[in-house]
Amino acid sequence: SQTIHQWPATLVQPVGSPLSLECTVEGTSNPNLYWYRQAAGRGLQLLFYSVGIGQISSEVPQNLSASRPQDRQFILSSKKLLLSDSGFYLCAWSDGTGPDTQYFGPGTRLTVL
Amino acid sequence: GQNIDQPTEMTATEGAIVQINCTYQTSGFNGLFWYQQHAGEAPTFLSYNVLDGLEEKGRFSSFLSRSKGYSYLLLKELQMKDSASYLCAVSDPSGNTPLVFGKGTRLSVIA
Repeated sequence: SQTIHQWPATLVQPVGSPLSLECTVEGTSNPNLYWYRQAAGRGLQLLFYSVGIGQISSEVPQNLSASRPQDRQFILSSKKLLLSDSGFYLCAWSDGTGPDTQYFGPGTRLTVL
Repeated sequence: GQNIDQPTEMTATEGAIVQINCTYQTSGFNGLFWYQQHAGEAPTFLSYNVLDGLEEKGRFSSFLSRSKGYSYLLLKELQMKDSASYLCAVSDPSGNTPLVFGKGTRLSVIA
């Protein structure tokens, strides 16, 4: 069966510091991968999605970037965090076929102080 | 454009039935999903509808009317553990975003 991992689970970072969040998927090959952010009291905001290695689509202009160095690895980064970057970051995968249901990882709760 | 509307909050009694509505306006449509999200946790997939009608899965059922841009999630025999947010999401292949999410409905089940 497929499993999706994210780390770290929680993170507290000062404003202006860098960020690296990692997501890996097991048990499937060539998945579609997604990064979402969920701010307090708000809906899920799609940040990036990828249909293959090196293929990244950005949905929201911001100080974040994403990379997909391996088939089942998706990384979210920032060079300088802003207060507004605080939130719950969720990685998801889908198999790109049929209904293309997205399945979410456990998430990373980021607090920028 | 893309727009998905759900009630913000609902309260229901343990053992009762509750219906959570979702209306959507999208340029294209390739199915509607419901997710459950407990506080502090990730969303988990509940159901998918692409054709009109009712899909039943145990205590949970989901209904879709494509002509009306309307769906509902029906929860029967409510339990305290059903207290969570329920997210409606639409697959719109004509848009830039693979899946468009509503803001969710926070359901509180009381004794």
